[in-house]
Amino acid sequence: QQQVKQSPQSLIVQKGGISIINCAYENTAFDYFPWYQQFPGKGPALLIAIRPDVSEKKEGRFTISFNKSAKQFSLHIMDSQPGDSATYFCAAEGGGADGLTFGKGTHLIIQP
Amino acid sequence: NAGVTQTPKFQVLKTGQSMTLQCAQDMNHEYMSWYRQDPGMGLRLIHYSVGAGITDQGEVPNGYNVSRSTTEDFPLRLLSAAPSQTSVYFCASSYGQQGNEETQYFGPGTRLLVL
Repeated sequence: QQQVKQSPQSLIVQKGGISIINCAYENTAFDYFPWYQQFPGKGPALLIAIRPDVSEKKEGRFTISFNKSAKQFSLHIMDSQPGDSATYFCAAEGGGADGLTFGKGTHLIIQP
Repeated sequence: NAGVTQTPKFQVLKTGQSMTLQCAQDMNHEYMSWYRQDPGMGLRLIHYSVGAGITDQGEVPNGYNVSRSTTEDFPLRLLSAAPSQTSVYFCASSYGQQGNEETQYFGPGTRLLVL
């Protein structure tokens, strides 16, 4: 049973555009929702994270939007740059679950 | 700080062989974990440890053993490798479990091919 569903699998965005990646979760006990960025040949690195007591968190060009009632959260990358080209993973943790539960990832390509 | 280090970077095994994937961190982190990453599957938790001497199973523990004799090291053992264990393995560490907003740091990964 996949507890965190991520879409789309791949995404192509023009430079300067907005990249949007969506995730939905099933376990209502999850209470921590991080996003990871992974470049080829590297380990994932924490990008930004949110807890369900807020609806939005912004760090620079990266914003998480959180909808607790719909059990959905999304990553928005404003003014997308070629250097943002990477694989992005959403994840969730909490409620007694062991470790992080990851989505399957989104391969993002920013075209110059 | 070197952060989280993993060795080897790449390994080829034959079915039935055993090996140990090494993971070390120099940040005095209590929490360490192992994930495997397969194409289109995201990362799945294999085993984790909340401190020296304490380990527990994650989502996909079968075929793997771990031990935590020191805070710094958390090796992952494959007792009898199978082609289904072909994957990229990541070790991660943090001060505490992620739910406490502790950043989890990942190593560079070990790419394993089982023939």
